[in-house]
Formats: sequence, structure tokens, C-alpha cells
Amino acid sequence: NAGVTQTPKFRILKIGQSMTLQCAQDMNHNYMYWYRQDPGMGLKLIYYSVGAGITDKGEVPNGYNVSRSTTEDFPLRLELAAPSQTSVYFCASSTTLISYEQYFGPGTRLTVT
Amino acid sequence: DAKTTQPNSMESNEEEPVHLPCNHSTISGTDYIHWYRQLPSQGPEYVIHGLTSNVNNRMASLAIAEDRKSSTLILHRATLRDAAVYYCILGPDNNDMRFGAGTRLTVKP
Repeated sequence: NAGVTQTPKFRILKIGQSMTLQCAQDMNHNYMYWYRQDPGMGLKLIYYSVGAGITDKGEVPNGYNVSRSTTEDFPLRLELAAPSQTSVYFCASSTTLISYEQYFGPGTRLTVT
Repeated sequence: DAKTTQPNSMESNEEEPVHLPCNHSTISGTDYIHWYRQLPSQGPEYVIHGLTSNVNNRMASLAIAEDRKSSTLILHRATLRDAAVYYCILGPDNNDMRFGAGTRLTVKP
């Protein structure tokens, strides 16, 4: 199993550009999550999904969109990138909602200038 | 509205036990206590969780106070690879796992 994979590893965006962060898992987990982590801080939940076709907002959803068309994939879309979105983005999956064991990907480091 | 309180940093010597404390005085009866850790430049990694009773697994032990207002993560023999930020999290809470700043553990050889 590859676990949770994320692409790209690094990206630099100009203000106003858009991009999609990719996340995939091969563990057949129903639940998937997107977090962001600002320097020296803990993680904050952006969006989560309880299964294909179902998504919901977390603590900091503004400026982001998600979709979940398959169990495996959970892409995160940034529209009109802003410097405040400079962060490290982590995708995670689990067998149950807020499972006792979430599996995290390696992260995408995004810089918006 | 932090639900847990952890020291910002702790140091340990290699091969010695480490006790990482967490205070959670407003814990509800249904909150589980989760511990994750984050090694440098990596995503968080699950360590252990518990509700009321002490728990052991291959990575660590979790000691929970009788009133559940505090808990302690115990690493029995710290290694250099255990240097990480350790997060104590209560949940589930409205579908959100709130990661605070955690405790940065430094392990000295």
C-alpha cells in the first residue's frame, strides 16, 4: 500500500492564480480530510469528506473548494490564491469520522507571492 | 478556545523514559484522548488513544488520570527518532480534530 499520496510536493503560485492539490489513498478509507499548517502552528481542518459525493466544511474553508467523486481521490482547489494561503497542506484519511487513527500524506508546501 | 494545554517544549536524554503531560480540564464524558506526533518535515503520525483506562501499544503508553482532566504520554526509552512535536487532542468534537501547538520534544544523545 502506498497509503496517502499528495502531489505536488512544492508549488509557488502568484497572487490570483488557481491550482488543485491532489490527494489519493489506496486503503479504501471512506473518510478523508484536508488540513493546513502554518509555520510553528498546529493543523487546522479545511474540509472533510465522509464518502464519495459528500463533503463538508472544517474550521477554515474560505478560499478553498473540494470534490469527492471517488473513494480514492480528494482534490483541494484553490481559487484566486492569496498570500494568506501560504502554508503546508496535509491530506489524511481514516476508516471512521475523526477516527482514532488518521493516516496523513507527506504534505504539499505552497507559497503564494 | 484551546481544549488541551501542553508544555511548549521538553528535553530528554536518549534511552531514558519521557513523560509528556497534557491538561484537559474541560473534557466531556464522550471525549477520547488522542496523541499524534509530527516528525520534522512529515505529516502527523498516530501514536495512541484512550478513553478512561491506561493504554499500551508498541509505540507508547497513555496514562489517564482518574478524573480524566489530565493525561500523560509515556515513551519508555526515548531514541533520537522520537524527536518530534507531540499533539494531545480531544475528540471527536463536531467532526473536527483541533491540533494545538503541541510539545516539541528534543532528545539528546
